Amino acid sequence: AQSVTQLDSHVSVSEGTPVLLRCNYSSSYSPSLFWYVQHPNKGLQLLLKYTSAATLVKGINGFEAEFKKSETSFHLTKPSAHMSDAAEYFCVVTPVGKLIFGQGTTLQVKP
Amino acid sequence: GAGVSQSPSNKVTEKGKDVELRCDPISGHTALYWYRQSLGQGLEFLIYFQGNSAPDKSGLPSDRFSAERTGGSVSTLTIQRTQQEDSAVYLCASNIAGGPSEQFFGPGTRLTVL
Repeated sequence: AQSVTQLDSHVSVSEGTPVLLRCNYSSSYSPSLFWYVQHPNKGLQLLLKYTSAATLVKGINGFEAEFKKSETSFHLTKPSAHMSDAAEYFCVVTPVGKLIFGQGTTLQVKP
Repeated sequence: GAGVSQSPSNKVTEKGKDVELRCDPISGHTALYWYRQSLGQGLEFLIYFQGNSAPDKSGLPSDRFSAERTGGSVSTLTIQRTQQEDSAVYLCASNIAGGPSEQFFGPGTRLTVL
């Protein structure tokens, strides 16, 4: 069975500082991995996806994630946080079809 | 349409009543998914339709939950004899091929069972 674990339920950073949201996955074969973002009172939006091509994946709004098979990790990073990045972030693994979500990380950005 | 639409946006019902939630996927998308987002359980997969194949119902929490997709387009999620623990936001998503491509999500239906 496939699963993801988001290591932090809540992350707080200051505007302009780096963001790191951690995700570990469990999969018996090479997974497809995603990060989705959910802003307050808005729908889920895809940030980026990994599907066995380049291990460093670039997404929207300056986010990127690196797939590390040896560490079974897919951490999300951004060099400089912006106030508009405050949201809930979900690490997702997908077997065929359905998405399996992590528990989510709330990102707070302080001015 | 331009995006996935869901109706109603909010539904308040009394315990024991049946409810129907509707999803209208993006035109041309062959795969349709239902998820549930609740405080206690996070985001959970419920059911998945892909073309004319039998749906994957492995995420439905009980036999009170059912879904159908008519004509390969609109889907209805039905919850019979609602319970308070059914209170959640029900999200619908669709994509083209049903594989690891981006799923496009609707705004959700917030269900409150009193």
